This record gives sequence, C-alpha cells and structure tokens, in this order.
Amino acid sequence: DGGITQSPKYLFRKEGQNVTLSCEQNLNHDAMYWYRQDPGQGLRLIYYSQIVNDFQKGDIAEGYSVSREKKESFPLTVTSAQKNPTAFYLCASSIGGQGTDTQYFGPGTRLTVL
Amino acid sequence: GEDVEQSLFLSVREGDSSVINCTYTDSSSTYLYWYKQEPGAGLQLLTYIFSNMDMKQDQRLTVLLNKKDKHLSLRIADTQTGDSAIYFCAAIGGATNKLIFGTGTLLAVQP
Repeated sequence: DGGITQSPKYLFRKEGQNVTLSCEQNLNHDAMYWYRQDPGQGLRLIYYSQIVNDFQKGDIAEGYSVSREKKESFPLTVTSAQKNPTAFYLCASSIGGQGTDTQYFGPGTRLTVL
Repeated sequence: GEDVEQSLFLSVREGDSSVINCTYTDSSSTYLYWYKQEPGAGLQLLTYIFSNMDMKQDQRLTVLLNKKDKHLSLRIADTQTGDSAIYFCAAIGGATNKLIFGTGTLLAVQP
C-alpha cells in the first residue's frame, strides 16, 4: 500500500528533552512538509523540503529541526527550545514542491510534554 | 499574505444538506482545497477546485467558487453521521506558493 506513515501515534516527553517524530512515505514524492495543529486553529507550517538534502523554514520553525537525507524520510526533532511543544503534528508530501501540487497527509503524532 | 477564514461550527440533521463556507483574501490563489479530519486522525483530501472553475461536483460533494467575492463553499448532500468531522478549507497563497489553511469547521450530524 502506498502512503505516508508517522510514528509513534502518541508521544510523551519530559520538559527539557529533545524528541524526534518520524515521517516516511512510499509515494515517490519529492516534497515533504511538517505542520503543527493546535485546538481551534488551522495547520501551521513548520518546515518543508522540496528535494533531498534541502529544506526551508516555514512560519513557525523556531525550536524545531529537520533533516532530509533520504527521499522517503523527513524526521522532525522537537528541541527543548520549543516553548510550547504539546500539539498534534502532521506530516504531508506532494509529488513536487510547487504550491499547486496536492498535499497528502499522514495520520499524525500527538506530542504531550509532561 | 493569504488569510483563510471559516465558521467554527455547523450542526445539521442526518439526511439534510450541509453547506460549509470559506473566504480567502488572495485573489491570485490558483487552487483551493477541502480536507476532512476525523477525530485523532490526519487530513483526508476530499476535493479541490481550480480558480478558473465555478463549480465542481463529485458524488455527494459540490464545491462552489465565487472568485469575485473570494468565497468557497462545500455542500454535502444527504449528510450522514459518518460525515461528522472537521472540514478544512485551504488555498495556495499566490505570493508564497504555500498552502494556507483555515481554522476548520466542526460539522456535527444529529441522528
């Protein structure tokens, strides 16, 4: 089956710890994205990557880091510098990096900081 | 930059039609999308419309686009309890070429 997988589904972290969220896709898409969703708000773009070994900051990149060493994978690290990390994190991919390329989403990871 | 707005909540009875509305600000937006999010899940692409179209129909879904008023709507015919979810409108920001999301509309279908 082709699709986007995110793991884990639920993640708990203590304050001051870094944590990495996984996102994998087997759609052969060039572009991948990370969004953050908070209750009652739309999705906000954290980082995106249009091609392997390249990525750009989105609207709320502070306190986050990413890597894109493989086409299939785009892990997101939530660092201790992120002041309010508790949220639902969604990964997406699209065939190309053009804004007009339709984005397809994974099932999400809910991160809770204790 | 692009701003996308939606009402927060809509309640309908099973079997009725639902109409979810969305407004956007960037007249150069080329593609407009509707996504559905069920509780605790990711976003599922429902449909999209090109800016040179006025209407698109796909089974129970009808999308209407009024470019002059920058207004987009999603009509769901014969709404079922399984349609209960949050519906997001999204538009491509013409200047940034990024996908900008509305806050989402929670659709509650009463049996």
